Amino acid sequence: EVQLVDSGGGLVQPGGSLRLSCAASGFTFSSTWMTWVRQAPGKGLEWVADINEDGSEKHYVASVKGRFTISRDNSKKSLFLQMNSVRAEDTAIYYCARISYGDALDMWGQGTVVSVSS
Amino acid sequence: QSVLTQPPSASGTPGQRVTISCFGSRSNIGKNSVCWYQHFPGAAPKLLIYSDFQRPSGVPDRFSGSKSGTTASLAISGLRADDEANYYCATWDDSLSGLVFGAGTRVTV
Repeated sequence: EVQLVDSGGGLVQPGGSLRLSCAASGFTFSSTWMTWVRQAPGKGLEWVADINEDGSEKHYVASVKGRFTISRDNSKKSLFLQMNSVRAEDTAIYYCARISYGDALDMWGQGTVVSVSS
Repeated sequence: QSVLTQPPSASGTPGQRVTISCFGSRSNIGKNSVCWYQHFPGAAPKLLIYSDFQRPSGVPDRFSGSKSGTTASLAISGLRADDEANYYCATWDDSLSGLVFGAGTRVTV
């Protein structure tokens, strides 16, 4: 089955760290760009970061630069988001997604919830 | 505040046609292709339109996309009750070097 499964969310204190994972199956993971998108409570979708096929090129939204790191392990068909120095405003549902032609996000994980609170 | 501007809401009666606009600039819509996503609360977003007007397999032709200059549009014809959702436009922004989403439009039937 072609799918993405997000995991790793939870409750974390401000300033703490969390690592999100996304397991891919049913397609050639090593041939696709991947991305993380989040949705804060009551807000719209916000792109967080993306990574190219071999992990050599990465982009981040300004608000997470220097705090979050996107990475991948093609041998395990997995995408990661290391979240450090988290803030209350990082509270959101985090989705991994596959990037297809024309920057289209054509496949999404089910989302994992991150709550930043003391 | 998003660099892509969408109306916060749109509405129509069953069978009607609703159009949602997405206003951008030369660094985003003016240069790059636009996608549209449908998002129901509690579910993963779904790709509706890519490359300005292309529909992925399985998306009904009631959904159509277009673009002119720095404005993109999504039209939903034959409106149905189960079209009630949030709709987002998105594109790459060359100035920001990142993907940008509109703030979303809530469609009510």
